[in-house]
Amino acid sequence: DAGITQSPRYKITETGRQVTLMCHQTWSHSYMFWYRQDLGHGLRLIYYSAAADITDKGEVPDGYVVSRSKTENFPLTLESATRSQTSVYFCASSERATNEKLFFGSGTQLSVL
Amino acid sequence: ILNVEQSPQSLHVQEGDSTNFTCSFPSSNFYALHWYRWETAKSPEALFVMTLNGDEKKKGRISATLNTKEGYSYLYIKGSQPEDSATYLCAFNDAGNMLTFGGGTRLMVKP
Repeated sequence: DAGITQSPRYKITETGRQVTLMCHQTWSHSYMFWYRQDLGHGLRLIYYSAAADITDKGEVPDGYVVSRSKTENFPLTLESATRSQTSVYFCASSERATNEKLFFGSGTQLSVL
Repeated sequence: ILNVEQSPQSLHVQEGDSTNFTCSFPSSNFYALHWYRWETAKSPEALFVMTLNGDEKKKGRISATLNTKEGYSYLYIKGSQPEDSATYLCAFNDAGNMLTFGGGTRLMVKP
């Protein structure tokens, strides 16, 4: 089915481990985004990508790495997970950057113990 | 970091009540204002994208207005139903930058 899918849906890991969250979209949207849900802050942008091989930092990029070798995939890696990275992570896509609505994935709930 | 504020943080209403809440954003460099509806255990879904001062958008019982000169948008729900219970997020776009989300208004509609 067309859409935007995230995996895994739930992940438990330990402090210091590397974790990769996957995001895949089938619309060929140019823009893809990673957000984290933080109490009192709503959604905060971690990284975004305007096209394959083009990525840029958002509001809270520290401790995260992204890549976009193909238009449809935008994985997010936590290089050395910390407890403060426990959150729900949402991937989103849009055709253009700004005045186009975002389509969100179903989220990945990550717990770092 | 842009300041996007939503009020109130939460709201309890009875079924059939009409309600409204506010999104405040910087009045300079406006490009677009988004509203999203976010049900518990689901992902946010777009309601409106508004780009012009004075814009009014409507989707069923939900409508929104936009004032870019003073930096606010109102979301109205007419005759609230229990299925309207959700968190409503606004997000602000200034020219050349990505969306900044507000903290959301959590609406609970009692039957």
